[in-house]
Amino acid sequence: SQKIEQNSEALNIQEGKTATLTCNYTNYSPAYLQWYRQDPGRGPVFLLLIRENEKEKRKERLKVTFDTTLKQSLFHITASQPADSATYLCARNYGGSQGNLIFGKGTKLSVKP
Amino acid sequence: SQTIHQWPATLVQPVGSPLSLECTVEGTSNPNLYWYRQAAGRGLQLLFYSVGIGQISSEVPQNLSASRPQDRQFILSSKKLLLSDSGFYLCAFTPSLETQYFGPGTRLLVL
Repeated sequence: SQKIEQNSEALNIQEGKTATLTCNYTNYSPAYLQWYRQDPGRGPVFLLLIRENEKEKRKERLKVTFDTTLKQSLFHITASQPADSATYLCARNYGGSQGNLIFGKGTKLSVKP
Repeated sequence: SQTIHQWPATLVQPVGSPLSLECTVEGTSNPNLYWYRQAAGRGLQLLFYSVGIGQISSEVPQNLSASRPQDRQFILSSKKLLLSDSGFYLCAFTPSLETQYFGPGTRLLVL
């Protein structure tokens, strides 16, 4: 069965540094990977989607990569700010046409001033 | 614009009591709808999804059921709650079969 793993439960970095979060998947490559942000007590919010044939995608201070050889996606936040502190979830699509997603457990990012 | 609503925001229920959580979507037609549960320290677990009115698929066997009486309404129910039903319940929809948009969630505590 497909799995998606975010190996780091937590990541602490200093303000201004680049945060790099890792997401690994098993079995066949998904058609796309997605990254969501979740604040405490709230629902996840979509950030970026990267397709299997795209190596990199950017949105403002965010950058996502998709490496089908390593079966891995990296999520970068450059010039991190305390407001970036949240849990970040990686998700992949799986089977069928229902738009179903499998989510990782998330990485809790803390940016210290 | 597309919006999604869930209520109630929080709920404290005794073991053995019934449950009804409601989710409604605005600004889109015939979306796929999803119910997830997020237990403390665990990831999002897909409970049910629906591709249309009256069409419900269950991902995991459990004490819960779902219904979709209208195109943009999705209901999560239980006849008798268990302690293990406690958690954060999230409703989501997708207009494109790719990105999902989540509601604010319902925090359920079963005592």
